[in-house]
Amino acid sequence: AQSVTQLGSHVSVSEGALVLLRCNYSSSVPPYLFWYVQYPNQGLQLLLKYTTGATLVKGINGFEAEFKKSETSFHLTKPSAHMSDAAEYFCAVSDQNNFNKFYFGSGTKLNVKP
Amino acid sequence: NAGVTQTPKFQVLKTGQSMTLQCAQDMNHNSMYWYRQDPGMGLRLIYYSASEGTTDKGEVPNGYNVSRLNKREFSLRLESAAPSQTSVYFCASSAGSGFTDTQYFGPGTRLTVL
Repeated sequence: AQSVTQLGSHVSVSEGALVLLRCNYSSSVPPYLFWYVQYPNQGLQLLLKYTTGATLVKGINGFEAEFKKSETSFHLTKPSAHMSDAAEYFCAVSDQNNFNKFYFGSGTKLNVKP
Repeated sequence: NAGVTQTPKFQVLKTGQSMTLQCAQDMNHNSMYWYRQDPGMGLRLIYYSASEGTTDKGEVPNGYNVSRLNKREFSLRLESAAPSQTSVYFCASSAGSGFTDTQYFGPGTRLTVL
């Protein structure tokens, strides 16, 4: 089965600083990759996803992620953090054998300091 | 356009009681999903329905049953609740019949089993 590792359950950055949230997956076959964001007391919403094609994917709210097959990584970045980015971020991957199973990472809570 | 709605928002049960969590979507989506979210564990898939009339087990199906009543509605039933089922439950839907599509999440049901 697929596994997803998000390094760092809590990340704190200053407003205006670079945001880097890490995600690694275990698979010899590139899966489909997603980043979701969850604001307090809400459901999740999609930030961006990689299926095929260009490995640098741009999403909403200025976020982007790069699929690196050699590193089995899909790290999420944003050049300049905003207070409204404070939320929990989840990386997710589809199953390597078929795309009918879906696995979430354990999440990273982003805190943005003024 | 309400998207994905879930009822109830909160519920407290005693061990051994039963209840049904309701989920409905108004986006004419084919696939629907039930997840549970526990601290430090991300979201785990309980059951999913790739189309009306079909259901399949996810990662943690034990203790749950589901019904895809029609294209709009997908319910989750706990026949005999246990404290280990204390969690936040999310319903989601997607247009396609696999995990490559964007999933749209409801606001969640916070369930406590005493």
